[in-house]
Amino acid sequence: EVQLVESGGNLVQPGGSLRLSCVASGFTFSSHWMHWVRQAPGKGLVWVSQINPDGRITTYAESVKGRISISRDNAKNTLYLDMNSLRADDTAMYYCARGDNWHYPYWGQGTLVTVSS
Amino acid sequence: QSALTQPASVSGSPGQSITISCTGTSSDIGGYNYVSWYQQHPGKAPKLMIYEVGNRPSGVSNRFSGSKSGNTASLTISGLQAEDEADYYCNSYTRSDTYVFGTGTKVTVL
Repeated sequence: EVQLVESGGNLVQPGGSLRLSCVASGFTFSSHWMHWVRQAPGKGLVWVSQINPDGRITTYAESVKGRISISRDNAKNTLYLDMNSLRADDTAMYYCARGDNWHYPYWGQGTLVTVSS
Repeated sequence: QSALTQPASVSGSPGQSITISCTGTSSDIGGYNYVSWYQQHPGKAPKLMIYEVGNRPSGVSNRFSGSKSGNTASLTISGLQAEDEADYYCNSYTRSDTYVFGTGTKVTVL
């Protein structure tokens, strides 16, 4: 069974940093593109970033470029999202999702990031 | 990249059919057949309902169907049921090698 479990969400002050993790199981992690998607409270889904299977190719939404970095450790079956210079509008549930040919059939349950003083 | 445009809400009675539109540009929906649709119930993670415009994953009811014309994609739910009440989001691959979601549509079963 495919499982994606996010962690690392927390309350952080504006300007702070945070690392989110997503541990994958039930499939060959190193063969799949992985994505992060976020959803602010009461708002819609927003695509954030993607990374290719070997970690060498990354892409970001314009709204997070320069402040967010996606990475992966295939030996640990883990996807990461490093977030810096956090702002109030980064407050959201962050989901990791497995990419399969331009769509996302598997999602984690999300981890909540709250940016507030 | 601006969000794809969806109606904020659509409603229908049980048994009826409804259609949700998703409008983009030639740089996303119009340029690729990589449109997918997701259902999200409150407090839950999204669930894939349609991929590559009109394909249904295994386990998804055949009451759900997708199509595309030009820069607009559509999701049709036939034989509307109470369990279909949820938020629905379209998604498309873009020319910038990124992805973009729609604004979301709340489906209400009357």
